[in-house]
Amino acid sequence: DGGITQSPKYLFRKEGQNVTLSCEQNLNHDAMYWYRQDPGQGLRLIYYSQIVNDFQKGDIAEGYSVSREKKESFPLTVTSAQKNPTAFYLCASQGQGPRGYTFGSGTRLTVV
Amino acid sequence: DAKTTQPNSMESNEEEPVHLPCNHSTISGTDYIHWYRQLPSQGPEYVIHGLTSNVNNRMASLAIAEDRKSSTLILHRATLRDAAVYYCIQPLLTGNQFYFGTGTSLTVIP
Repeated sequence: DGGITQSPKYLFRKEGQNVTLSCEQNLNHDAMYWYRQDPGQGLRLIYYSQIVNDFQKGDIAEGYSVSREKKESFPLTVTSAQKNPTAFYLCASQGQGPRGYTFGSGTRLTVV
Repeated sequence: DAKTTQPNSMESNEEEPVHLPCNHSTISGTDYIHWYRQLPSQGPEYVIHGLTSNVNNRMASLAIAEDRKSSTLILHRATLRDAAVYYCIQPLLTGNQFYFGTGTSLTVIP
């Protein structure tokens, strides 16, 4: 079955450490997105990529970095510069046509 | 501004129909309206999308106003598993991105 996989499901990080969240899709979608969700809030866009080797900042990119070396993969690095990284992180992909996004199941990051 | 307007929360009794409203007064003539729902601690899942005419699938029905400035997601018989946050979305002007607001939190009462 085609889908989008995020790993790990839960992640704990010490303050001052960088951590990378994985997002892989086998849907042959061109566009991929990273969102952050805080409790009781909507989704806020961190970064997005519409094609391999190209990506753009979203609304809250500070303290995050991404790469898009392969169509299937769009990893997100939460750097030590992100002052409040504890959140639920969601990756999504989008193909051609009007159907919209397919989301992963999310990674819950906790800073300890 | 491509943000939609939805009530923060709604309640429904189990096995009764639910009508979830959404206003999208800035939608363009070619933009689809999308609905997603998010269960606790999960990623949003696709529910339905439509352009002008009403749409039905196994999960729900979508009724779109004639002027396309509003729509209603209809769950014909709410179950406890339908308790979720429902998002009504129109694409942003740049990059075909979707803006997810806070949606409508649906509580289903047994």
